[in-house]
Amino acid sequence: EAGVTQFPSHSVIEKGQTVTLRCDPISGHDNLYWYRRVMGKEIKFLLHFVKESKQDESGMPNNRFLAERTGGTYSTLKVQPAELEDSGVYFCASSPHATNEKLFFGSGTQLSVL
Amino acid sequence: AQKITQTQPGMFVQEKEAVTLDCTYDTSDQSYGLFWYKQPSSGEMIFLIYQGSYDEQNATEGRYSLNFQKARKSANLVISASQLGDSAMYFCAMREALYNFNKFYFGSGTKLNVKP
Repeated sequence: EAGVTQFPSHSVIEKGQTVTLRCDPISGHDNLYWYRRVMGKEIKFLLHFVKESKQDESGMPNNRFLAERTGGTYSTLKVQPAELEDSGVYFCASSPHATNEKLFFGSGTQLSVL
Repeated sequence: AQKITQTQPGMFVQEKEAVTLDCTYDTSDQSYGLFWYKQPSSGEMIFLIYQGSYDEQNATEGRYSLNFQKARKSANLVISASQLGDSAMYFCAMREALYNFNKFYFGSGTKLNVKP
């Protein structure tokens, strides 16, 4: 069974450009999460999808970030325009049920904004 | 206030020795879950062990055990007989079951280096 996959693994862009990160969750997992780790700090919650609906987007930093999950399958996280402070590792995770179960994580996308 | 605190940014341990990674948490919920994840250099976050707040016994998974002290709100990870492959970042996390049940709160991580 394929795990959570994220593309790209690394992205280097200039300030003001747009970047789109993609996440393919484990097949059949209704719940999809985005997390971010900035500059060696704690991993912080960004948002949570249940199928194609945004369940909780309270962690999204500002309106430069837009997440979508078309058809309840893969998800994209777009940053437009990117700022220096957006640099970090963006993790995607999925789970079959929103209970006290563990999350299955991808390997993350390392985003560097220069 | 930070929900998860990991006070050890980095640690060294000799191969075959045991090591304890510290984690304290902050919650007012009665029902919650505590998790440890390992992040090797490949980047993937690997689930290691889980402890429920109502579990009376400490969780164990092979060489990993979780030293759960509820009154102190601590959930330390103990790795016995360290191996070179244990060198990685380790993250402690908590999920509150009653409120914000969809969120995990993570610590800032501990980088463990196992010396041969």
